[in-house]
Amino acid sequence: QKEVEQDPGPLSVPEGAIVSLNCTYSNSAFQYFMWYRQYSRKGPELLMYTYSSGNKEDGRFTAQVDKSSKYISLFIRDSQPSDSATYLCAIGNQAGTALIFGKGTTLSVSS
Amino acid sequence: EPEVTQTPSHQVTQMGQEVILRCVPISNHLYFYWYRQILGQKVEFLVSFYNNEISEKSEIFDDQFSVERPDGSNFTLKIRSTKLEDSAMYFCASSGLRDTGEAFFGQGTRLTVV
Repeated sequence: QKEVEQDPGPLSVPEGAIVSLNCTYSNSAFQYFMWYRQYSRKGPELLMYTYSSGNKEDGRFTAQVDKSSKYISLFIRDSQPSDSATYLCAIGNQAGTALIFGKGTTLSVSS
Repeated sequence: EPEVTQTPSHQVTQMGQEVILRCVPISNHLYFYWYRQILGQKVEFLVSFYNNEISEKSEIFDDQFSVERPDGSNFTLKIRSTKLEDSAMYFCASSGLRDTGEAFFGQGTRLTVV
């Protein structure tokens, strides 16, 4: 069983829509959950970081972690064309250990 | 804002040649990593480095790969004898806090083996 599953999309939405991106994972030992944004041929840019279960909000972005279901989500409110990118979920443990990435969901926001 | 910088941005090399990819992590960070991403595939972990030694490595990181922190600022990945399948984006990352996995990535080096 793959460690992190993420629907690759592509996902196309109109400007202003609420976007929901999701990942599931298999190993309950993971404690740290991250969302990265990646533009084509660029490095992953850290968007949101959450420790254990719960919600975290930063501007238009909200990250949710449900450890009981092994399910993580990223919500983007009032989506903009500049949000068009690939969104990667990543899970990990303590610093110095591997992050396990999902394959990424490609999002396109049209104006 | 502090950032991870990588050089070169693109390197083309012949199969069998040695390559060294260079990274300058964020200055007060303690943990350093290399990841790679083959075109169209997941970002994959290669190795992590802390206190001048490897702390974890993946199955991909075989004897052809090595890492070094030659001075207080640089972190390098060496591939001894490149193969066609080593063609990928290579990302360096660093993290600062002891008990978190929050990692910041550089813009990557695109390695093309011909």
